[in-house]
Amino acid sequence: GENVEQHPSTLSVQEGDSAVIKCTYSDSASNYFPWYKQELGKRPQLIIDIRSNVGEKKDQRIAVTLNKTAKHFSLHITETQPEDSAVYFCAASKGNNRLAFGKGNQVVVIP
Amino acid sequence: NAGVTQTPKFQVLKTGQSMTLQCAQDMNHNSMYWYRQDPGMGLRLIYYSASEGTTDKGEVPNGYNVSRLNKREFSLRLESAAPSQTSVYFCASSEGTATRAFFGQGTRLTVV
Repeated sequence: GENVEQHPSTLSVQEGDSAVIKCTYSDSASNYFPWYKQELGKRPQLIIDIRSNVGEKKDQRIAVTLNKTAKHFSLHITETQPEDSAVYFCAASKGNNRLAFGKGNQVVVIP
Repeated sequence: NAGVTQTPKFQVLKTGQSMTLQCAQDMNHNSMYWYRQDPGMGLRLIYYSASEGTTDKGEVPNGYNVSRLNKREFSLRLESAAPSQTSVYFCASSEGTATRAFFGQGTRLTVV
């Protein structure tokens, strides 16, 4: 089945700097790649997603880029704020409805 | 807008007891899922239902059963709870194939 890995496991950034989290996936047939944000004690919430026919997608301060050849996709957060501190999960799936999640990245924004 | 609703929010069980976690969605989604979340392990799929009337095993199905009661409701049953099933359980739903999944608020289960 699909195997999704996230790096680094913990990322600390100064407020106002950018944060980048990278995910790699194993199944070249995967065609849907969402990112979820989970604050402490809360449910995972979708923040951005991308399909395999698109290379990049932006939504205000967040963006996702996809490199199908290398089988990796990245989350970019610009102008980080304290409320960006959370665990971020990437996932990948293809046409069988089974989202495979990575183990998560802890992002800490230092004021 | 309720979205995905899970009950209960917290539960403590003794080893060997049984219980059912309930999940309902009001988004007319076809697919529903049960995940468990343990520290450092991410979200692991227990069972899923691609559409009403079908259920399939995920990564960690042992010790669990599910029922897709109708399009709205998908329940998870622990027949004989074990301490290894102490976890946070999330239900999720999505419209269909490889589409956005929305999560319930989670159930924190402790088995003693």
